[in-house]
Amino acid sequence: GAGVSQSPSNKVTEKGKDVELRCDPISGHTALYWYRQSLGQGLEFLIYFQGNSAPDKSGLPSDRFSAERTGGSVSTLTIQRTQQEDSAVYLCASSFGGRAVDTQYFGPGTRLTVL
Amino acid sequence: GQSLEQPSEVTAVEGAIVQINCTYQTSGFNGLFWYQQHAGEAPTFLSYNVLDGLEEKGRFSSFLSRSKGYSYLLLKELQMKDSASYFCAVGLNTGFQKLVFGTGTRLLVSP
Repeated sequence: GAGVSQSPSNKVTEKGKDVELRCDPISGHTALYWYRQSLGQGLEFLIYFQGNSAPDKSGLPSDRFSAERTGGSVSTLTIQRTQQEDSAVYLCASSFGGRAVDTQYFGPGTRLTVL
Repeated sequence: GQSLEQPSEVTAVEGAIVQINCTYQTSGFNGLFWYQQHAGEAPTFLSYNVLDGLEEKGRFSSFLSRSKGYSYLLLKELQMKDSASYFCAVGLNTGFQKLVFGTGTRLLVSP
């Protein structure tokens, strides 16, 4: 079946503009995660969804970042008033139930460049 | 807090065996994961250890010692396609699978 998909694959924006990044998880996966990966670095946890609820938003770096999930499926990560330090690859992952034994499957990411 | 350390880069030749180490300090440990990431692609799951010992999956094996806060990924019969970055990640016991990733080890396989 289809894997996790993300759009757009690349986004170039000007400092101060808002951007929306989209994630389509694997069908039937209740858990959805957003991560950020800066060049040459590991993945940094941003937020976790179980269904449409976000029990853990602790990784969002500032109040300019927000995310929502609708219908227990598609999620959107919004960054307002983008800054150059927001430039990174934003990865989405989904898993069947979010439990410790559930494998996270990652999407190809959105590469965000803020000029 | 949590911290994970991995070597930044490892080189090896085709057909050889290579070991990538990961040391960690964490509270609420709930398993150690290894992911592979080819340049420009999504990370893919390789292995999960929650108990001490060695888990073998074909050419890849992963070892965990919880008392030492230590894990390694062993790759045998290296192939050129194994050139990638390898990340260890600690799963935290937070009620859901929350992963904290290391900074990754870049493996370069030469002919």
